[in-house]
Amino acid sequence: GDSVTQMEGPVTLSEEAFLTINCTYTATGYPSLFWYVQYPGEGLQLLLKATKADDKGSNKGFEATYRKETTSFHLEKGSVQVSDSAVYFCALPSGGGRRALTFGSGTRLQVQP
Amino acid sequence: EAGVVQSPRYKIIEKKQPVAFWCNPISGHNTLYWYRQNLGQGPELLIRYENEEAVDDSQLPKDRFSAERLKGVDSTLKIQPAELGDSAVYLCASSFQAGATDTQYFGPGTRLTVL
Repeated sequence: GDSVTQMEGPVTLSEEAFLTINCTYTATGYPSLFWYVQYPGEGLQLLLKATKADDKGSNKGFEATYRKETTSFHLEKGSVQVSDSAVYFCALPSGGGRRALTFGSGTRLQVQP
Repeated sequence: EAGVVQSPRYKIIEKKQPVAFWCNPISGHNTLYWYRQNLGQGPELLIRYENEEAVDDSQLPKDRFSAERLKGVDSTLKIQPAELGDSAVYLCASSFQAGATDTQYFGPGTRLTVL
């Protein structure tokens, strides 16, 4: 079945460092791909998405490019801030009609001042 | 615009007791999801509703879990009786439709602890 694999955390960075969180997927066809973020004490919220191959999703300085050749959707940010500390989840639609999300296990990011 | 509302935020019960969680989705959203998130894991779908119809409940442990979405708006998820392994965060989400590109909006979740 469809699945998502994320790099394990925690990832600890200093403020203004470059961030990469790896995500690879296994799926039939070319589903949309999502990154969700969960800040401490809050619910998951959509960070960005890409709906077809070679698309780049971007939001709040984060970017991810849908690469079908490597079945990847890595999350990047050029300069992280303390406020980016959160858990990041890669996800894809799956199941009957691709109407629910399958999530990776999440990657915790800790940014130190 | 109000987001997805869930209550309670936290619940502690003893095993074999019943428990219920409530969710009110974003107004106008036809599709409602219940997910369970175990510690250190991503959410996993329990059940999906389109309006008042449960259209995907294949992952719901039906021997002890039940759900309803009366009138196609708010929803209740129940566990009876609860087991130790049910300790998790129960997330409700909603979307306008259920397309593969539709954004799901999540509530803050209910953290259940079964002692």
